[in-house]
Amino acid sequence: QSVLTQPPSLSGAPGQRVTISCTGSSSNIGAGYDVHWYQQLPGTAPKLLIYGNSNRPSGVPDRFSGSKSGTSVSLAITGLQAEDEADYYCQSYDSSLSGYVFGTGTKVTVL
Amino acid sequence: QVQLQESGPGLVKPSETLSLTCTVSAGSISSFYWSWVRQPPGKGLEWIGYIYYSGGTNYNPSLKSRVTISLDTSKIQFSLKLSSVTAADTAVYFCARGVVPAAMPLYYYYMDVWGKGTTVTVSS
Repeated sequence: QSVLTQPPSLSGAPGQRVTISCTGSSSNIGAGYDVHWYQQLPGTAPKLLIYGNSNRPSGVPDRFSGSKSGTSVSLAITGLQAEDEADYYCQSYDSSLSGYVFGTGTKVTVL
Repeated sequence: QVQLQESGPGLVKPSETLSLTCTVSAGSISSFYWSWVRQPPGKGLEWIGYIYYSGGTNYNPSLKSRVTISLDTSKIQFSLKLSSVTAADTAVYFCARGVVPAAMPLYYYYMDVWGKGTTVTVSS
């Protein structure tokens, strides 16, 4: 039902790089609205990971990086670690819905 | 460091009103957007709405007819009321602090501090 689409799951071995896409449309990402990313470890609350497409809050490792191109944004995790196994969500604003929306979520598994 | 803590009944009957409170500790309530997000079992996150510290509100259009968010500045708490609940409202409810940096438009809103969440089940 979300207007922001993410791959349901991704996996990678320790040390590898994984990239999570967040695809929207002309009423959200394509309209220029900024995207933020959250990490949700199992059984815990979401944690802000990236804000404003590519900015890391204090304390977030630089292994996490965000980028934006057109109607698509992505979150990259380099040097994957076991502790990165979590669900990841993008979030933005949608003008058609007149509200804030989350992506469908991506479960990252560390092999 | 600011902390948020949700509280309220864990079980609500269908057609009744769900009421939750979020207590803000070790921080100021000013200049932030005090928010609610929910997550049904095994599903993704859904933004419910927020109240600005000065009292203005913004709700998810899909829930707007049933949602009220209020703020008690004296107690440094904010509350969520969701009326006419059904089983579809069963979820973990999170409170969060919303941020819009100075000079940025309102659509830049994001949530930088979250409570641990509280589970609400709608059942008779």
